[in-house]
This record gives sequence, C-alpha cells and structure tokens, in this order.
Amino acid sequence: AQSVTQLGSHVSVSEGALVLLRCNYSSSVPPYLFWYVQYPNQGLQLLLKYTTGATLVKGINGFEAEFKKSETSFHLTKPSAHMSDAAEYFCAVSENGGGTSYGKLTFGQGTILTVHP
Amino acid sequence: KAGVTQTPRYLIKTRGQQVTLSCSPISGHRSVSWYQQTPGQGLQFLFEYFSETQRNKGNFPGRFSGRQFSNSRSEMNVSTLELGDSALYLCASSWGQGSTDTQYFGPGTRLTVL
Repeated sequence: AQSVTQLGSHVSVSEGALVLLRCNYSSSVPPYLFWYVQYPNQGLQLLLKYTTGATLVKGINGFEAEFKKSETSFHLTKPSAHMSDAAEYFCAVSENGGGTSYGKLTFGQGTILTVHP
Repeated sequence: KAGVTQTPRYLIKTRGQQVTLSCSPISGHRSVSWYQQTPGQGLQFLFEYFSETQRNKGNFPGRFSGRQFSNSRSEMNVSTLELGDSALYLCASSWGQGSTDTQYFGPGTRLTVL
C-alpha cells in the first residue's frame, strides 16, 4: 500500500526566508505526486503536480517541487516566504494505474506553515 | 467557471441519526471523490463515482454510502451516526480520465455529531 510521510507537522519561517516542506512516499511503482494547500475553513487548492517529464515542477504562488526517484521524495520549496503563505500544506500521491487508483489520493498528515513578520 | 460546491456547509446531528451531504462538481467533470478529514486521521479517501458507478472505495464501514446522478452531482450518506463521524467531509471533482487528473476540491461540509 502507498504511504506518504511529511516530515514536520509544523514549520515556522520568517517573511522572506526560504520555505522547505518535506515529503517522502512509499510505493513499489513511482506514483503521481501532488501538493495541495488548505487555508482555514476552505477546501484544498492544487499548488503543483508531477506526472511525467521534467522532475522540477513549478506551481502557483512561486512554489516549486522536485521529484527525486532515488530518494522517493517530492519536497516543496519557495525562495521567499510571504505572510499569505501561512496555511496547511498536504503532499499526496495517486497510484500509477487503474483499478484501485481511480479517484483516490493518499495524503500525508499535513504541515502547518507559520510565517513570522 | 463555477467551482465545486457542497451543501450544507455546516451540520449538527445527534448519535444514531443519519445525514446526507451533497456535492456539485465543476461543469463537465464526471468523477466525484469523497474524503473525510479529521485531526487524528487526516485526510482519508471514502469513495469515487464516475458516470453514476462507484469505481473505487476506501476502508470505511458500510454506514458510509454514496451515489451519483446523471448530471454528475453526488451525495454521500452516513447512517447511524457515531461521535467519531464528526469531521470535515470534502468532495473533489475531476475529468475522471486517470491517475494524473487534478482533483478540484469543494469547501467541505463540517459535520458535528453530538
């Protein structure tokens, strides 16, 4: 079964500092990978996703992530944090295949990002 | 283009009752997935519907059920509510073409069971 691990349930950075949110997955076949953000009392919004091709993926709001197969990782970064980035971030995977993969995302436990002025 | 809508946004029920939640997908999307979000268990997949058929199901008891209508709108039902069913229930819609699809989430329905 697939699993996703997000290292650090809470990450705190200063405004303007680098944001690094870690995500590792466990899967026998490289899955498809997603990062979502959730603001309070809202649903999830897609930041970026990796399916195939270039392993460095750029998303919205200046975020990017790099798929590293050898490390089974998909860490999310942003060069300079903004106050508006404060939210909870979820890494998710979907299986590479049909059947039990239909419509199913497996999520990590989430990382709450706090940005200090 | 209108996003995914969920009704109601908030719901309070008592143990033993049943509840029905509704989800309207983005126009043209034929797949609807449902998730339960709790502080303890995080986000967990309930089931997915495509063209009125359940294609996939998570590890939840039979008290949790769903259906999809011909216009792709979906409902989920929870019978005999338990305190542990208190959660944010999220639905997400997509084209339903495969594992690379982006799922677009609604704002959720916050269910409180007393």
